[in-house]
Amino acid sequence: DTEVTQTPKHLVMGMTNKKSLKCEQHMGHRAMYWYKQKAKKPPELMFVYSYEKLSINESVPSRFSPECPNSSLLNLHLHALQPEDSALYLCASSQETGANTEAFFGQGTRLTVV
Amino acid sequence: RKEVEQDPGPFNVPEGATVAFNCTYSNSASQSFFWYRQDCRKEPKLLMSVYSSGNEDGRFTAQLNRASQYISLLIRDSKLSDSATYLCVVPHRSNDYKLSFGAGTTVTVRA
Repeated sequence: DTEVTQTPKHLVMGMTNKKSLKCEQHMGHRAMYWYKQKAKKPPELMFVYSYEKLSINESVPSRFSPECPNSSLLNLHLHALQPEDSALYLCASSQETGANTEAFFGQGTRLTVV
Repeated sequence: RKEVEQDPGPFNVPEGATVAFNCTYSNSASQSFFWYRQDCRKEPKLLMSVYSSGNEDGRFTAQLNRASQYISLLIRDSKLSDSATYLCVVPHRSNDYKLSFGAGTTVTVRA
């Protein structure tokens, strides 16, 4: 079963709040990803974890802080966000990193920063 | 040149029609290509992976043209449920941990 579960599905937060997005997969995948997607745009890569280690940070502002507690879980901690950070945040996982591995996406968290 | 380029469409087709669209890519070394479909306000879902010259899955056929560096997706006997944005995805030229997404091709199938 190719399933990536994200919580919450929707989140509204103020600019001074701290919140976390959560992602879980039980497919034994060793690579996990955070993407940000704005309306009518393709997903933009934020972070890649491979074997629980951060391997790519796409110059994401420090107000976004990823964490990979174990091979099944990926968190994204949010603090002092701006209204322009409102977007769909997608988690994905793949068996490995590398060119021939398919990525599977969670349903996303729709974030609104007010 | 962008990593991945797609005709944005929209392609408006009647039910039962065949629709095809292309994706051009710049990473000549890529060995894998992916088509995802994304419904409005939903996550991308993997439709098809292509590792050789092409792939076929039911009404969907992907064809790879390495010489011209493009991959096409053809949908036969279109259904209303095929209405979606189709994203072409190719490993990044400089780092294949990264996937490069095209901007997507919008297909609308009308009754």
